[in-house]
Amino acid sequence: DVKVTQSSRYLVKRTGEKVFLECVQDMDHENMFWYRQDPGLGLRLIYFSYDVKMKEKGDIPEGYSVSREKKERFSLILESASTNQTSMYLCASSSGDFGYTFGSGTRLTVV
Amino acid sequence: DQQVKQNSPSLSVQEGRISILNCDYTNSMFDYFLWYKKYPAEGPTFLISISSIKDKNEDGRFTVFLNKSAKHLSLHIVPSQPGDSAVYFCAAPRLGGSQGNLIFGKGTKLSVKP
Repeated sequence: DVKVTQSSRYLVKRTGEKVFLECVQDMDHENMFWYRQDPGLGLRLIYFSYDVKMKEKGDIPEGYSVSREKKERFSLILESASTNQTSMYLCASSSGDFGYTFGSGTRLTVV
Repeated sequence: DQQVKQNSPSLSVQEGRISILNCDYTNSMFDYFLWYKKYPAEGPTFLISISSIKDKNEDGRFTVFLNKSAKHLSLHIVPSQPGDSAVYFCAAPRLGGSQGNLIFGKGTKLSVKP
């Protein structure tokens, strides 16, 4: 069964902390994505990567960075967490068609 | 302008009846659309898609209709079941961007009551 695994289901972090959200896929997909889901705002693209060490900004990259050192792993980094980054974070991968496989999500609360 | 709009945040339907979820888009160059379903505390899962060369695609209880002239698509669920209660997202591939980059609507929360 193909999978996208997000390392944490729930996280609570303090304002100003550096936060790492990890995502691993086992499907050898080239493309990986980070979205956040907020009530009334849907799914918004933060960053994506279409190859190792490649990254592109999505619609809301401010306050975030990413790292893709290996094909299977895509990390989202909150450089200095703020309360407005409290959200559900969703990682997805695809092989280049439009069939995303999503992880189960990480519910991040910044206090 | 590239937007996918779901103007109804929620929909409540009785079990056994039809659920109709609507989606509008702003750019006539969109040529492929997808619907995803999301349960709480889970990631979205792919449900059904449609290419712009078709006006209908059916998969079991789920049918998507595309009206290109109106820039509108709809997802029909017949008959609706309580297990269909979820948030449904409409999506389209971003134009001019890297392959596989989807734009999502804001979602419609469907509640199917027994």
